Parts: sequence; C-alpha cells; structure tokens
Amino acid sequence: AQSVAQPEDQVNVAEGNPLTVKCTYSVSGNPYLFWYVQYPNRGLQFLLKYITGDNLVKGSYGFEAEFNKSQTSFHLKKPSALVSDSALYFCASFNAGNNRKLIWGLGTSLAVNP
Amino acid sequence: DGGITQSPKYLFRKEGQNVTLSCEQNLNHDAMYWYRQDPGQGLRLIYYSQIVNDFQKGDIAEGYSVSREKKESFPLTVTSAQKNPTAFYLCASSMGVGHTEAFFGQGTRLTVV
Repeated sequence: AQSVAQPEDQVNVAEGNPLTVKCTYSVSGNPYLFWYVQYPNRGLQFLLKYITGDNLVKGSYGFEAEFNKSQTSFHLKKPSALVSDSALYFCASFNAGNNRKLIWGLGTSLAVNP
Repeated sequence: DGGITQSPKYLFRKEGQNVTLSCEQNLNHDAMYWYRQDPGQGLRLIYYSQIVNDFQKGDIAEGYSVSREKKESFPLTVTSAQKNPTAFYLCASSMGVGHTEAFFGQGTRLTVV
C-alpha cells in the first residue's frame, strides 16, 4: 500500500536552532512530494514541492526540503527556527495510480521555544 | 483577491439535521476537494471533483453528499446519516488533480449539539 509517514508527532526546538521535520514515503513510480503548514483553526498553506530536478527544494518562509530517493525521505528543514514557525506540518505525496489522489501524512506539531 | 472561501466558519447542527457547508473559489481551478480533519488523524478525503458536473467519492464519503454545478462552487452536505459529524472541514482547489499544489480555505468547524 502506498503511504506517507511522519514518524514524529511533535518536534521541539529552541528559537534560532535548525529544525527538521521528517517525512518518508512509499509510493509507486516517481513521487511528487509536498509540504504544507497549518496554523491553529486555519486552512493549510503550501510550503514547497518536489516534482523532479534538484534534490534540494526551496520554499516559502525560508523552508527547504531534501528529496532522498535511496532513503525514500523528504525531510523539511530550516536553518534557524522562529517562534512563529510553531504550527502543524503535513507531508503529502501524489498518487499517480488509478485514483490520482494526494496521500497525506498524519502531521507533525512543531513547537519553537523562545 | 483570488482565493478559496469557506462559510460559515463555525456551524452548529442538531442531531438528525442535514447541513450544507459552502466552498467557493475564484482561482479558475478545475479540481476541488473536501477533507475532514480530526485530531491525530490528519486529513481524510471525503469527495473530490476534477471537472464541473463530475465528482468522485473519497475515502470517507458515507453520510456526505456534494454537487459541482458550477466551476467555482463545491458545496458539501453533511447528512443525518453521518454518525459522527463533529469535525473541522477543509475545502481545497487545484489546477488539476495531480502534482499541482492545492489551495485551502480557512475551514468550517461543525459541531453537533
């Protein structure tokens, strides 16, 4: 079965430190991978995506993600965390199979402590 | 401003009643989606539509219905058959179904009282 996993329910980092939110995937064919962020009681906002090309993808708000085919991972990173980065982060993969739907991870809650 | 609008933001429903959640977009997107979000369960797809007058069931369609009579609008009806309707509902749209990013509305929080 195709799936996206976010192995950490919660990540805590100190402001100014680098942050990583992990995502691994299991999909057939070439994966299309996405990161979204959700602030409390709001909709999701698109951060970045990997379709093809460079393995390091840069996105909004200083975030970037590295596609690693051998490890089937697409971890979200930021060099220096801000308190305002505290939110829920979702990884998703497009399923190019018959149903052509996004497959979502369960989300990781990021808390950046001042 | 271009965007996707959900209304209302908060909705209360008595048990046994149907209720309709509105979703409108002015992004000229072909594809629209409805998701349900519960704590710890991520996003679950209820229905999606790739084009006007066509829609497909998602993973948890039971107790829900939709229509897509106009490109801009994709209303979701939560029927009395939905056994546990209290949740946060998110509508989204995208250029197409696939590798284009989705734009989300601000959500509707439905509470059954």
